[in-house]
Amino acid sequence: DIQMTQSPSSLSASVGDSVTITCRASRTVIKYLNWYQHKVGDAPRLLIYGASNLQGGVPSRFSGSGSETDFTLIISSLQPEDVATYYCQQTFSAPRTFGQGTRVDMK
Amino acid sequence: EVQLVQSGAELRKPGESLRISCEASGYIFTSHYISWVRQMPGRGLEWMGRIDPSDSYTHYDSSFEGHVNISADKSISTAYLQWRSLKASDTAMYYCARRRGGTEDAFDLWGRGTLVTVSS
Repeated sequence: DIQMTQSPSSLSASVGDSVTITCRASRTVIKYLNWYQHKVGDAPRLLIYGASNLQGGVPSRFSGSGSETDFTLIISSLQPEDVATYYCQQTFSAPRTFGQGTRVDMK
Repeated sequence: EVQLVQSGAELRKPGESLRISCEASGYIFTSHYISWVRQMPGRGLEWMGRIDPSDSYTHYDSSFEGHVNISADKSISTAYLQWRSLKASDTAMYYCARRRGGTEDAFDLWGRGTLVTVSS
């Protein structure tokens, strides 16, 4: 199985800050990498697919980049509604493994 | 409205059986795979397996194969996750999720989850 490792595990930032979350795969996943946002008590939400493609309806402050084994999710200007846990997921090979999650809180 | 509606929370004893459901609406059910994802208390997301509703072909993560069964009834646009004998370690939130269309493999629609509690 491909292992996905996110960093940091958690972070606190202020409104308007730029936030960066990284995801590393144990072997190449080319660009088969997705990012999800999961708020407490809600369904997870797809933010980014194919490493850098913004899902419809997702604010443009979210962006993704990377390839092979190293990927990044950036929230360019953190908003209160962005408080959530963020997961990366590889879909290059089965099983479709997720990272352990990065919890984003507001300072 | 395009949505996946999951069945309500369940409380069972170890050894009991259970089936939870995920009803799709607002789109062609047979056009998208449905996956099941587990979230144990305080833990992250784990992909369990998926089904192609058009032919009921399934694929499981090795960690779950043999312990759960994924099925679908396309006549009522509903997918299921079933256990024959629950364990306390099955206590978790379970989500169903739809694979988006096109060449990119991602889950673009999720249910709100079904909480399963297994306790004696």
